[in-house]
Amino acid sequence: AQSVTQPDIHITVSEGASLELRCNYSYGATPYLFWYVQSPGQGLQLLLKYFSGDTLVQGIKGFEAEFKRSQSSFNLRKPSVHWSDAAEYFCAVGPGGNEKLTFGTGTRLTIIP
Amino acid sequence: GAGVSQSPRYKVAKRGQDVALRCDPISGHVSLFWYQQALGQGPEFLTYFQNEAQLDKSGLPSDRFFAERPEGSVSTLKIQRTQQEDSAVYLCASSSTDGFEAFFGQGTRLTVV
Repeated sequence: AQSVTQPDIHITVSEGASLELRCNYSYGATPYLFWYVQSPGQGLQLLLKYFSGDTLVQGIKGFEAEFKRSQSSFNLRKPSVHWSDAAEYFCAVGPGGNEKLTFGTGTRLTIIP
Repeated sequence: GAGVSQSPRYKVAKRGQDVALRCDPISGHVSLFWYQQALGQGPEFLTYFQNEAQLDKSGLPSDRFFAERPEGSVSTLKIQRTQQEDSAVYLCASSSTDGFEAFFGQGTRLTVV
């Protein structure tokens, strides 16, 4: 069965500092991996996705993520966070195409001035 | 509309009451998903449609939950005899035939009192 672990429930960083959110997955085949962001009262917005090819993927809002098969990880990074990045971040895995996603429990990001 | 639309945004139901939650997917999107997001958790898959066919309902927690998409566009998630544990945000997502990205609505927050 597929699963996603986001080990950090809550992370606090200073505005302008770098950010890394961790995601580990368990999946029997080549996974399709996603990072979504959810602001309070909002739905999920896709930040980036990985299907194949280059293991470093670029997304919206200056985010990037690196797929490391050997570590079963897909960590999300941003070199300099902005106050508007404060939100809940979810990593998800799926078999690809029109198939259901399995989400992690999320990491809440707080930005301090 | 340009995005996935869900209604109502908020619903308060008395325990034992039936509720119906509506999802308008992006026009032309073949696939439609329902997820349940409990407080502080990641979304969990409920059911999946391809056009009007319900291909996977393995995530529906009980036979009180029922979903339909009779004409392959709008979908309704119905919960009969609501219980307190049904309190959650219900998210709808749709994707096109290539299926690489699911677009989420803002969700319906259901509170059972």
